[in-house]
Amino acid sequence: NAGVTQTPKFQVLKTGQSMTLQCAQDMNHNSMYWYRQDPGMGLRLIYYSASEGTTDKGEVPNGYNVSRLNKREFSLRLESAAPSQTSVYFCASSPGRGRPYNEQFFGPGTRLTVL
Amino acid sequence: DAKTTQPTSMDCAEGRAANLPCNHSTISGNEYVYWYRQIHSQGPQYIIHGLKNNETNEMASLIITEDRKSSTLILPHATLRDTAVYYCIVRPLSNFGNEKLTFGTGTRLTIIP
Repeated sequence: NAGVTQTPKFQVLKTGQSMTLQCAQDMNHNSMYWYRQDPGMGLRLIYYSASEGTTDKGEVPNGYNVSRLNKREFSLRLESAAPSQTSVYFCASSPGRGRPYNEQFFGPGTRLTVL
Repeated sequence: DAKTTQPTSMDCAEGRAANLPCNHSTISGNEYVYWYRQIHSQGPQYIIHGLKNNETNEMASLIITEDRKSSTLILPHATLRDTAVYYCIVRPLSNFGNEKLTFGTGTRLTIIP
């Protein structure tokens, strides 16, 4: 199993450009999450999806949109990138509904720089 | 979710036990203690969780005080590969699929050769 995969690994954008970060998991998990991590900080939740077809805002959703394309895939879109969105983005998944312990499994991250 | 307090950094000699403390004095009765770690440039990795009993798995042991206001993660024989930031997180057990994790800044553990 590959676990949680993310593409791309690195990306540089100019202010105002848009892009989509891709995430996929092969563990048949119901729940998926997007976090961002700024230098020297802990992770902050952007959006999450408790199950296919549902999405909810996390702690820092402004400037982002998400799509739960199917059970495997959860994408994060920046419509108009800003320098404040320079960060490392992590996708995670967990078994979800019906599985109370629900440890989260994280991908390797996407390092995004907005100039 | 209850707030946690951890030391900013710690050192431990290779081969010795690493003991990482965490204070969670406002923990509620239905909240579990989770530990994750993040090795440099990688995504966080789940280590262990517990409610009130001590727990052990292949990676670590978790000791929770009787009043549940603090806990200690123990890595029994630390190796260089255990150098990482360790996060202590408190949150309720849930099966709704919306288990948001609130990460603080954690403890940076450095294993010294």
